[in-house]
Amino acid sequence: AQSVSQHNHHVILSEAASLELGCNYSYGGTVNLFWYVQYPGQHLQLLLKYFSGDPLVKGIKGFEAEFIKSKFSFNLRKPSVQWSDTAEYFCAVNAGFQKLVFGTGTRLLVSP
Amino acid sequence: DTAVSQTPKYLVTQMGNDKSIKCEQNLGHDTMYWYKQDSKKFLKIMFSYNNKELIINETVPNRFSPKSPDKAHLNLHINSLELGDSAVYFCASSRGSEQYFGPGTRLTVT
Repeated sequence: AQSVSQHNHHVILSEAASLELGCNYSYGGTVNLFWYVQYPGQHLQLLLKYFSGDPLVKGIKGFEAEFIKSKFSFNLRKPSVQWSDTAEYFCAVNAGFQKLVFGTGTRLLVSP
Repeated sequence: DTAVSQTPKYLVTQMGNDKSIKCEQNLGHDTMYWYKQDSKKFLKIMFSYNNKELIINETVPNRFSPKSPDKAHLNLHINSLELGDSAVYFCASSRGSEQYFGPGTRLTVT
């Protein structure tokens, strides 16, 4: 079965620090990959997505992610985080029939 | 101009009761979903409907029954509520792979 692993469950950073959140998936076929963000008390919002083409994708709010097929990874990065980036981040893979499989999430806390 | 809306936002009820959560999307999408997010923030799909037809049913107890009166609505009815049903339930819709989520309904069963 398809699965998504997010190895960092909690990350604490100071403002202006660089961020990288890991995401690995297990699925042998063609995948569509997503990162969603959930700000405290809010619904999930799409940060970025990869369907095909350039493996380095840019998203909103300065986020980017790199798809490395050989490593089954889709890590999220941001060069300089802000306090407002405090949120829960979810990696997800669409593995057929429009079914999204989510990772367990990474809680990011950015201290001012 | 809310894209995906859910009602109610909060629902507190006692064990054994029956409750419904409603979802509507005005995006013209063909597919709608229900997800459950537990206390550890883990998100898992429950159901998916495409053009009012059930296409995904992820080992959810029979007490949960989705109903799609039309493409724009997908309601979730829960019978005989149990403590373990306490969670945040998210509705979503899509055309293609990208899914748009509603604000969630926080269900608390006491």
